[in-house]
Amino acid sequence: DTAVSQTPKYLVTQMGNDKSIKCEQNLGHDTMYWYKQDSKKFLKIMFSYNNKELIINETVPNRFSPKSPDKAHLNLHINSLELGDSAVYFCASSQVRDGLAGRRVETQYFGPGTRLLVL
Amino acid sequence: KQEVTQIPAALSVPEGENLVLNCSFTDSAIYNLQWFRQDPGKGLTSLLLIQSSQREQTSGRLNASLDKSSGRSTLYIAASQPGDSATYLCAVRRLVAGNQFYFGTGTSLTVIP
Repeated sequence: DTAVSQTPKYLVTQMGNDKSIKCEQNLGHDTMYWYKQDSKKFLKIMFSYNNKELIINETVPNRFSPKSPDKAHLNLHINSLELGDSAVYFCASSQVRDGLAGRRVETQYFGPGTRLLVL
Repeated sequence: KQEVTQIPAALSVPEGENLVLNCSFTDSAIYNLQWFRQDPGKGLTSLLLIQSSQREQTSGRLNASLDKSSGRSTLYIAASQPGDSATYLCAVRRLVAGNQFYFGTGTSLTVIP
């Protein structure tokens, strides 16, 4: 009953190839994200989708494109892979809900990550 | 621009000790702050979420505090265990429109049996 799943777990490929990473969440969340974690373990947000609408698009190369066929999926397509794309990519989902005293609370749930190595 | 810093970058303690991890952020206009744990080769696990109006949150041996005015949060781990060994990340969410989370660089914790 995995909440957020990613495939593949590992991806080793040659420079210049096109690859995709898939993400699925079974939590019924409205918003999904893609993050890139570099070698220094710094997480940088790349994209987020809310109800199939792109609401954040950080300054990432246009070789990266998110695709959301439905609310439960947010796939990451990468064209013309470069050496610098090597990193761990995390998918996440979140849902805003009502907390105590009328506050709105949100928690992000992360997938296990996809370790990409470009040779 | 929001910048999140975590000190120390690495920490090694003997089992049973209490320890504190620090997180600082430059822009106090935050919506909430979240502490995560990351095990080697694994994904992120949410530990504690503190809303901007809250001062602390507790879960088991963990206690997270938030001082928004000074731009600081601490994660206190009581009676550390070898299973606590992991990288701990804090993340702040902006108050303005958009769902941006800013992550710190993490603290790598090793608890020695």
